[in-house]
Amino acid sequence: EPEVTQTPSHQVTQMGQEVILRCVPISNHLYFYWYRQILGQKVEFLVSFYNNEISEKSEIFDDQFSVERPDGSNFTLKIRSTKLEDSAMYFCASILGRGTQYFGPGTRLTVL
Amino acid sequence: AQSVAQPEDQVNVAEGNPLTVKCTYSVSGNPYLFWYVQYPNRGLQFLLKYITGDNLVKGSYGFEAEFNKSQTSFHLKKPSALVSDSALYFCAVRASGNTPLVFGKGTRLSVIA
Repeated sequence: EPEVTQTPSHQVTQMGQEVILRCVPISNHLYFYWYRQILGQKVEFLVSFYNNEISEKSEIFDDQFSVERPDGSNFTLKIRSTKLEDSAMYFCASILGRGTQYFGPGTRLTVL
Repeated sequence: AQSVAQPEDQVNVAEGNPLTVKCTYSVSGNPYLFWYVQYPNRGLQFLLKYITGDNLVKGSYGFEAEFNKSQTSFHLKKPSALVSDSALYFCAVRASGNTPLVFGKGTRLSVIA
């Protein structure tokens, strides 16, 4: 069964460093999302992406964040200058059209 | 704006007993409702959804949920709980199309042998 994959599973970085989180959505899906979950809190929407552009973003998704689909398979989230409060689990999701968003296993980002 | 409430942080149930995890929602227009489960150190796994049709929706692993429009609820149920059902359960809602999901804060289910 096709699934969303994410790498790395765990990323540790120093405050102020740039990180890139990678996702491979399900191959025929058209809409892509990033969510995050701070430890012990609920899952929050960051950004959605369709047709090679951002379709919607939340207040969390400020200028420090960017997304890209550099080729036909990868979907990346970049944080330019990480802050302590960026420490969270980051989930990628994809959807074909209407219906169910399928989530990847997540990347745990730890900012020291 | 959409919102989801899961009023219980923790639900404890004995193995073999029925379980219910509660969810209420607020959304403009017709809701698209989902339940996801998260096992420790794992991602969000889809359980079931309601978009239209029968109010009782059946999903994976014997779970089901009932959509109640008048009470704006979408409670998750299972007739007989298993220890392996112990996990964190999230209810989520979105409006229409491909709008982002709005999640509840999650309910930790503990099934005791």
